[in-house]
Amino acid sequence: GQSLEQPSEVTAVEGAIVQINCTYQTSGFYGLSWYQQHDGGAPTFLSYNALDGLEETGRFSSFLSRSDSYGYLLLQELQMKDSASYFCAVRDTAGANNLFFGTGTRLTVIP
Amino acid sequence: DSGVTQTPKHLITATGQRVTLRCSPRSGDLSVYWYQQSLDQGLQFLIQYYNGEERAKGNILERFSAQQFPDLHSELNLSSLELGDSALYFCASSVGHRGLETQYFGPGTRLLVL
Repeated sequence: GQSLEQPSEVTAVEGAIVQINCTYQTSGFYGLSWYQQHDGGAPTFLSYNALDGLEETGRFSSFLSRSDSYGYLLLQELQMKDSASYFCAVRDTAGANNLFFGTGTRLTVIP
Repeated sequence: DSGVTQTPKHLITATGQRVTLRCSPRSGDLSVYWYQQSLDQGLQFLIQYYNGEERAKGNILERFSAQQFPDLHSELNLSSLELGDSALYFCASSVGHRGLETQYFGPGTRLLVL
């Protein structure tokens, strides 16, 4: 079967660095995506990793290790506005070609 | 503003009824995806259309159906509604069909079944 696991909640201090992990299990694999969703809002795309390594986009970076079926999202210089839910997502390229989102990690940034 | 529009924004209906949710993708995007998000839950992928054809099917109930029209807008039909169908329904679009590169999400339709 397919599964994605993320921590349900993370709390971090403004200005700090936080890492949100995602482990996945799929039959096939295209890559790993990350989305941010503020309360009451729509998800917005953050990053996509198809190959192993680190992708950096401003304060946000995402890492993938296909051999470990593992990825993480790294948020640096945390700001209060980063308080949101963060979802990892994969596509199971075998079988029904479904998209799977993790249950999300709720990040709370405190002063 | 993602460029994806969804109507209506809110919908209140009764059990047993049927509703239609509408989505217009960003200009140039060929794929449309539908998701369901229940309270405090993650996103459940329902179905994807690419250029008018069904591309992938997720956990979509048989009471639900969707289609993508020649102008690429899409509709999600929910019938024989149950209380548990109350959720936020998102539509997203992307240029390609893989669905892991950038998907642009609409603002969602909040459905309340009473």
